[in-house]
Amino acid sequence: ETGVTQSPTHLIKTRGQQVTLRCSSQSGHNTVSWYQQALGQGPQFIFQYYREEENGRGNFPPRFSGLQFPNYSSELNVNALELDDSALYLCASSGVGGNGYTFGSGTRLTVV
Amino acid sequence: GIQVEQSPPDLILQEGANSTLRCNFSDSVNNLQWFHQNPWGQLINLFYIPSGTKQNGRLSATTVATERYSLLYISSSQTTDSGVYFCAGGRPNQAGTALIFGKGTTLSVSS
Repeated sequence: ETGVTQSPTHLIKTRGQQVTLRCSSQSGHNTVSWYQQALGQGPQFIFQYYREEENGRGNFPPRFSGLQFPNYSSELNVNALELDDSALYLCASSGVGGNGYTFGSGTRLTVV
Repeated sequence: GIQVEQSPPDLILQEGANSTLRCNFSDSVNNLQWFHQNPWGQLINLFYIPSGTKQNGRLSATTVATERYSLLYISSSQTTDSGVYFCAGGRPNQAGTALIFGKGTTLSVSS
């Protein structure tokens, strides 16, 4: 049984650029969620995908978008990067009902 | 939306001490979970505990759903217990199974 893997682990981008973060879900999980964690804060829900459809969205602007693929892996895309987008981005996969929430190690994004 | 309050915000312990972390919710949740975030940022799921009591080694958790709080007990703490502890909950079928996190309790255990 493989866990949740995220890539890349670290990334530095310039304000205004676009970024794509990737996540492979745990075997047997069909739901993927993305969270943003600013320094010293708890993770904030960005959105969730279930069977390739967006299944809920937090309070994030449309420049945050995502995809889920048939193998349940997922991408998070952020356009027009802003300095405040600097954070740890966490991906989690889960089974039915939210049990078994498993997080990846995250991608640390720095926008300069 | 649901508000999650964790206390205390910071905790400093000597190795071997016991501690209790608390989590209060402003509304009912039914998929309450506790996580430990290690210094490298990885969130480890400790307990899925929408109600009742569970134990796993030196850790145990109790959720009283009717009173909207949960407690995490750490006994005989070790330096490897250091890190940030988060509780999180949500409501299935409202924004999927999105979790709302508290701000965490930062635990430092010294030898």
